[in-house]
Amino acid sequence: EDQVTQSPEALRLQEGESSSLNCSYTVSGLRGLFWYRQDPGKGPEFLFTLYSAGEEKEKERLKATLTKKESFLHITAPKPEDSATYLCAVQADGGFKTIFGAGTRLFVKA
Amino acid sequence: DVKVTQSSRYLVKRTGEKVFLECVQDMDHENMFWYRQDPGLGLRLIYFSYDVKMKEKGDIPEGYSVSREKKERFSLILESASTNQTSMYLCASSLANRYTFGSGTRLTVV
Repeated sequence: EDQVTQSPEALRLQEGESSSLNCSYTVSGLRGLFWYRQDPGKGPEFLFTLYSAGEEKEKERLKATLTKKESFLHITAPKPEDSATYLCAVQADGGFKTIFGAGTRLFVKA
Repeated sequence: DVKVTQSSRYLVKRTGEKVFLECVQDMDHENMFWYRQDPGLGLRLIYFSYDVKMKEKGDIPEGYSVSREKKERFSLILESASTNQTSMYLCASSLANRYTFGSGTRLTVV
């Protein structure tokens, strides 16, 4: 069964304290892995798509990487405005559905 | 900018009522989705549609139905609302597997 597991559930950082969020996945064949950001009371917003192991994408303080079993979202020198829930999702080859993880809630304190 | 609009941000309904959640997208996307989001469980797919008048069951379709009479509109129907359907409901449309979500409808069934 295709599955996505995110860790930790919650992460508290001081402003400027870099860290990483983990997304482990089990899928028969990966068509794509996606990262979304969700602010309280809003729908998720697209951040990145990764297609193959070794691929990396960057946007401001965020960098997403992909291996054959997991993806990391690295946050460099975070700011309070980076506080949000970060969702990971995968889509399998030959499948139509996108499977979401439960998310990591990130809190960045000034 | 691509937009997905959900008609209500907050709804309170009584047990047994028939509830309609409306979603409209302005991007001419063929694929549309309804998810519910609950703490610790992530996003779970209720129904999706890949064309007008076409619909497919997701992972948790029981107690729900959908309607897609026009390409831009995808409605979720709770036939007889129950308290365990209290949740955040998210509509999305997609192009090339990249999802655009609405802001969500927080439904409370009392």
